[in-house]
Amino acid sequence: GPKVLQIPSHQIIDMGQMVTLNCDPVSNHLYFYWYKQILGQQMEFLVNFYNGKVMEKSKLFKDQFSVERPDGSYFTLKIQPTALEDSAVYFCASSSPGQENTLYFGAGTRLSVL
Amino acid sequence: GQQVQQSPTSLVLQEGENAELQCNFSTSLNSMQWFYQRPGGSLVSVFYNPSGTKQSGRLTSTTVIKERRSSLHISSSQITDSGTYLCAMESNSGTYQRFGTGTKLQVVP
Repeated sequence: GPKVLQIPSHQIIDMGQMVTLNCDPVSNHLYFYWYKQILGQQMEFLVNFYNGKVMEKSKLFKDQFSVERPDGSYFTLKIQPTALEDSAVYFCASSSPGQENTLYFGAGTRLSVL
Repeated sequence: GQQVQQSPTSLVLQEGENAELQCNFSTSLNSMQWFYQRPGGSLVSVFYNPSGTKQSGRLTSTTVIKERRSSLHISSSQITDSGTYLCAMESNSGTYQRFGTGTKLQVVP
């Protein structure tokens, strides 16, 4: 089936550094999402993105977070600066026009902030 | 408050037994999707089922909008069914899906 790729699978960084998580969505998809899951806890919505703009974001999407998809390349989540509580698995998802409600997820990037 | 609640939180079955997983939501529903999360964490879509009943192999999903619930039935469970099952709903007023807390299923020989 359609695949969403996330790079890297695991990232370890020091608190205060910047990190960029990369997502290669399904090729004809136009709606993009980031979710955050702390180990053993619920999957939480962060942000969704369409036509170059953030459509909606949750209170977990702090000012230190930003998303973009320059020129149809990777859909990225940047955190600058990182904090200890940002440690989690970040899942990217995408969906297609006409089937916006059917999400395809990547395998996640495990972010460890030390 | 919690808009999507799943039950049970965990379940242990013997191979061959059936399972019924429940998802209840507190707001009007626009869409409902069931996911299987592997022990390693990756998510696989199991059903997109905003209403009615859908079946795929040993899995059946039923969503009853008026009662604000959806269920996932697994028949003749297998060890490889072990993992966490998540439901995710999008409300009529929302633009994204909210996940339930999940049901952790363990199938033993």
